[in-house]
Amino acid sequence: DAGITQSPRHKVTETGTPVTLRCHQTENHRYMYWYRQDPGHGLRLIHYSYGVKDTDKGEVSDGYSVSRSKTEDFLLTLESATSSQTSVYFCAISDPLAGAGETQYFGPGTRLLVL
Amino acid sequence: GEDVEQSLFLSVREGDSSVINCTYTDSSSTYLYWYKQEPGAGLQLLTYIFSNMDMKQDQRLTVLLNKKDKHLSLRIADTQTGDSAIYFCAETEGGSQGNLIFGKGTKLSVKP
Repeated sequence: DAGITQSPRHKVTETGTPVTLRCHQTENHRYMYWYRQDPGHGLRLIHYSYGVKDTDKGEVSDGYSVSRSKTEDFLLTLESATSSQTSVYFCAISDPLAGAGETQYFGPGTRLLVL
Repeated sequence: GEDVEQSLFLSVREGDSSVINCTYTDSSSTYLYWYKQEPGAGLQLLTYIFSNMDMKQDQRLTVLLNKKDKHLSLRIADTQTGDSAIYFCAETEGGSQGNLIFGKGTKLSVKP
């Protein structure tokens, strides 16, 4: 399995509070991604990073920000959590120089409940 | 924009073959993927096929690609109860830096 961990694995928070999710990889892959998974919607890309300090928006980026200060860590922040952000969040990594370059490997997920 | 479509449910009997179908829209996709998700877990890469291939076989898994019709299928031979999961088809997003577009997933139920 790809060396990807996510923390926390479960979180319950209240509306209006800030929340930061962490993705950590030990594979030295260049690209990192944050997705959310919701019933009826499959996986939707929130933000992605193509290098340290290089990030871009995905399909559903409103209400989320990201930071990547080191190759191994990609942080997802909900500045002021809302109930619509209750979801399962997955981190993924890929590297164009590794095998089938666009293949993404996923972390175990973080279940977030916003009350 | 790009879109990936899959049927939502498939039910088979143990020992039968399962065929999960997917259609996609981006003809410039380099790779197409099948991922498996078991309950409470992340997505596990099952297999992928390069866009210039028609078929790829890997043990019980056979992937067929029809580029003309933009149709991808995953066949699981001798389906077992451990194959019960959600299966996602994904295509690479044309012109992107490796972004994937996922279908909504097909839930495979295997009955003993």
